[in-house]
Amino acid sequence: EAGVAQSPRYKIIEKRQSVAFWCNPISGHATLYWYQQILGQGPKLLIQFQNNGVVDDSQLPKDRFSAERLKGVDSTLKIQPAKLEDSAVYLCASSLATSGSLFEQYFGPGTRLTVT
Amino acid sequence: GDSVTQMEGPVTLSEEAFLTINCTYTATGYPSLFWYVQYPGEGLQLLLKATKADDKGSNKGFEATYRKETTSFHLEKGSVQVSDSAVYFCALSDRNTDKLIFGTGTRLQVFP
Repeated sequence: EAGVAQSPRYKIIEKRQSVAFWCNPISGHATLYWYQQILGQGPKLLIQFQNNGVVDDSQLPKDRFSAERLKGVDSTLKIQPAKLEDSAVYLCASSLATSGSLFEQYFGPGTRLTVT
Repeated sequence: GDSVTQMEGPVTLSEEAFLTINCTYTATGYPSLFWYVQYPGEGLQLLLKATKADDKGSNKGFEATYRKETTSFHLEKGSVQVSDSAVYFCALSDRNTDKLIFGTGTRLQVFP
């Protein structure tokens, strides 16, 4: 079974530029998550989708970050304009369900963003 | 709000040594508890989990017991290997929101 795919793996941009990350979850997984992992910290949830609807985006900085999951499959996360403090690894995860024994989240390899 | 506190790393051990990585949590309600591992260059992987008090999660020789009285979920392994070198994250999930809240991670380095 193929895992969660993310691209690009690395991205370097200047502040005030825009950037987009792509995620393709495991086939059949209804729930998709985007996390931000700043160096030395644990991942922090930015947004959670159930199919193509948003379940939780309470920690998404909506003035500069946006995300969509068209057709309930793959997803894109965009930052516009980027700030220095956005430098982090952006992780995508998916799961079959949101609770119970099917809850396990499977993580992609992440995209490392450096803002200069 | 809910939070997870892990011991700071790095933890440096010789092969076959005993490992303990401490994890305590603060939560309202009764969360599920997890340990995730991140090997160099790879994504996070679920190592083990426990969903209620006194449950013991185990996998690949690692164990952790859900201790409600001490709000802890310490990770242990009796004999570590060089291949266990990785960053370990403790996490909790609130039953109502399913949101994962992670600790800051503990880097383990095992030398032969």
